[in-house]
Amino acid sequence: GAVVSQHPSRVICKSGTSVKIECRSLDFQATTMFWYRQFPKKSLMLMATSNEGSKATYEQGVEKDKFLINHASLTLSTLTVTSAHPEDSSFYICSARDWADPTGNTIYFGEGSWLTVV
Amino acid sequence: GEDVEQSLFLSVREGDSSVINCTYTDSSSTYLYWYKQEPGAGLQLLTYIFSNMDMKQDQRLTVLLNKKDKHLSLRIADTQTGDSAIYFCAESMGTDKLIFGTGTRLQVFP
Repeated sequence: GAVVSQHPSRVICKSGTSVKIECRSLDFQATTMFWYRQFPKKSLMLMATSNEGSKATYEQGVEKDKFLINHASLTLSTLTVTSAHPEDSSFYICSARDWADPTGNTIYFGEGSWLTVV
Repeated sequence: GEDVEQSLFLSVREGDSSVINCTYTDSSSTYLYWYKQEPGAGLQLLTYIFSNMDMKQDQRLTVLLNKKDKHLSLRIADTQTGDSAIYFCAESMGTDKLIFGTGTRLQVFP
């Protein structure tokens, strides 16, 4: 079945540096991917919609200059946390829909990426 | 506005049934989902239901939807220790954007 994969699964970076997280659809094409953030013991909050070949759409309150999203191909979206600070430490997870899935309604999530900023 | 709520915690004995409840506010929801998240892991899609359905059963899982009351539930029959996790309901309005509930932590004890 369709799989969405994220990399890295865990990353530690120094405050002030940037870190990139990749989200790949492994056996299907995804024109749209979604990036969510989960704070400890909290629910998932949508950060942005990543659109292949065009600019991402950010949710209210999400800084687009801080969370750079690039969706350069039909199978890859990247989220770059720029000038990371400890408060950016969180669990980031992406999702994508496989439109070729005969059920027509399966949204797959990646394994998630734990970011710790020290 | 969009708001999805769940009770935070549920504890059940192994072998019993678990019922996790979810309420939502947006009546235009088209699909409602249940996801499972184990500690330190991503989300696993368990099941989903279309808004014009009342019930969906898939092995040990039964989803009930009361659209009038905007209430969704997930029943897990014969709950096992491996079912211990956080369960999220989520709604979509026909797009891929999901609005998640607050999550219910299910603890199964022997």
